[in-house]
Amino acid sequence: AQTVTQSQPEMSVQEAETVTLSCTYDTSESDYYLFWYKQPPSRQMILVIRQEAYKQQNATENRFSVNFQKAAKSFSLKISDSQLGDAAMYFCAYRRGGYGGATNKLIFGTGTLLAVQP
Amino acid sequence: KAGVTQTPRYLIKTRGQQVTLSCSPISGHRSVSWYQQTPGQGLQFLFEYFSETQRNKGNFPGRFSGRQFSNSRSEMNVSTLELGDSALYLCASSLEAAGNTIYFGEGSWLTVV
Repeated sequence: AQTVTQSQPEMSVQEAETVTLSCTYDTSESDYYLFWYKQPPSRQMILVIRQEAYKQQNATENRFSVNFQKAAKSFSLKISDSQLGDAAMYFCAYRRGGYGGATNKLIFGTGTLLAVQP
Repeated sequence: KAGVTQTPRYLIKTRGQQVTLSCSPISGHRSVSWYQQTPGQGLQFLFEYFSETQRNKGNFPGRFSGRQFSNSRSEMNVSTLELGDSALYLCASSLEAAGNTIYFGEGSWLTVV
């Protein structure tokens, strides 16, 4: 079974600084996708960034980028120039690829609560 | 374009009652998934539907059931409610059978007293 581990329950960063959130996963599959979701106090899950396992290039979305280390099964999220609005719970998630049956089932980590200090 | 809509947003039920939660996916999306979020267990997958067929089911008792209608709207039902069913229930939708973009609703807060 696939598992996702986030070992940092809480993190704090100063406004305008950079922070990295860690995520490791375990799977025996070669085809999969990884996601970072943000959950602000409103509790709506918002997709931050995604990475296809077959792509070697790390995904980036504006101030958000990932460091995807497939062999180490590591998928960290870097937030640059942190803003007050980045304060939220961040979840790392795994989705199996299409081989073996299409699915949108996400397996989530336990989350990292990010505080942004002004 | 409207997002994923969940109703009701908040509800309080008594132990032993049953509850039905509704989810309207983004227009055109045929995949709907449900998750339970609690402080103790985190985010747990309940079930997944695609074109009215249940494709996956999480490890929840039979009291938890769901269905998807021909217009892709989905409902989940919990019968014989227990205190431990108190949670935020999140619905997600996607256009594809294995979507790269999965959108979530704001959730339905269920409190069982």
